[in-house]
This record gives sequence, structure tokens and C-alpha cells, in this order.
Amino acid sequence: DTGVSQNPRHKITKRGQNVTFRCDPISEHNRLYWYRQTLGQGPEFLTYFQNEAQLEKSRLLSDRFSAERPKGSFSTLEIQRTEQGDSAMYLCASSLGLGQPQHFGDGTRLSIL
Amino acid sequence: GIQVEQSPPDLILQEGANSTLRCNFSDSVNNLQWFHQNPWGQLINLFYIPSGTKQNGRLSATTVATERYSLLYISSSQTTDSGVYFCAVDPSRASGGSNYKLTFGKGTLLTVNP
Repeated sequence: DTGVSQNPRHKITKRGQNVTFRCDPISEHNRLYWYRQTLGQGPEFLTYFQNEAQLEKSRLLSDRFSAERPKGSFSTLEIQRTEQGDSAMYLCASSLGLGQPQHFGDGTRLSIL
Repeated sequence: GIQVEQSPPDLILQEGANSTLRCNFSDSVNNLQWFHQNPWGQLINLFYIPSGTKQNGRLSATTVATERYSLLYISSSQTTDSGVYFCAVDPSRASGGSNYKLTFGKGTLLTVNP
């Protein structure tokens, strides 16, 4: 069990640029989740995949955000035309199935200059 | 949606002391997890405990689902226990839950001094 892996750990970019994060879930985990955490708050749900199907997107995800999970393995989260308010920790989690705990990666910390 | 309240918001202990953290939630739940977020931001799974009692070393947790609360006990605290402790829940289907989407509380910031 190698854990959930996220890359990069840190990303600094200028406002208006596009960024993409990657998440590799624990092998055999068919459920994958993205959360966002801002300073002083708990993580907030963004989106959820079961295998390759994206089953829910939070209202927090504007149309500048897109997530994919091709082939039901790793996932990417892309933010287009980044804004100051996008600065946050982006966390990925995976779970084996219904009624199973979610395991989180170390996150990608995004800073917008 | 479900409300998750954690108390106390902040806690300062001397090394070796014991503590109890509380999580109240407003609806029945399918899933309840306790996490420790260390000063480097890593979110570490402590317990998956929708009901009952579990123990892992110096840590234990109890969830009383019928009364909608969970407690996390830390005994003989160490400086490495410092960080934020989060409770997260997924409401049951009957309460409009999803069976996958965790709602987090605001956390308890624990500082253990040497």
C-alpha cells in the first residue's frame, strides 16, 4: 500500500495561468475524490469519481475547473485562468468502495501571485 | 446539509497530559472519520468509526450514533501530537447523504508543549 500520491506538492503561478494537478489513488481503489482546503478551514468536497465516471461536482467548482479520470486510474484536476481566490490546498482521496474509509494524499498547495 | 461542530477549537497541553476532543453532528451518519493534520499539512487517517469504540495505541475513539456525537481521546500526549484534529461525516441516505461526500468540521487545534 503506497498511499495516495499527489503531484506537484507545491505550485506557484501567476494569475491568469492554467494549472494541472495529478492524483494517483491507492491501487484497486475505485473511488476517487477531490477536496479543497483554505486556511483555517476543513477540507470541502469538490468532485467524485467512481471508476472513470464523474458522478458529482460541487457548486464550488466553477466552469474554470475540470477533472478527469481516464481509464479509472489516476485523476487530473485542471484550473484555467487562475484567480487569487483559487489559492488553497487541493487534496485527493481514494476509497475501496461503499462504507470504506477515505485515504488522503499529501495535497498540492497552490499559490497565485 | 449536515452540521459538524468540533470542540474545543483550541487546546494547549503539557506533554504527558490527556485530552478529549468532541464532534457533534446534526443528522444520522453512514461514515465518520477522525483525521490528524500535521504542521506540514498531511491529513492522516486516525479512525473510521461510524459507531462503537476503537483503540490504536495512545488514541481511542467512541461514536454514539444515536446521540450524534463522537469523542477522540489522546492519552500521554507527545509534542508530535500537535496539529489540527478533524472530524468528518457522510450523512446516511435517509438524511440526504451520498455515501461518499465527507463534510468536515472546523477542527481542534492541539498544541502540546514539551
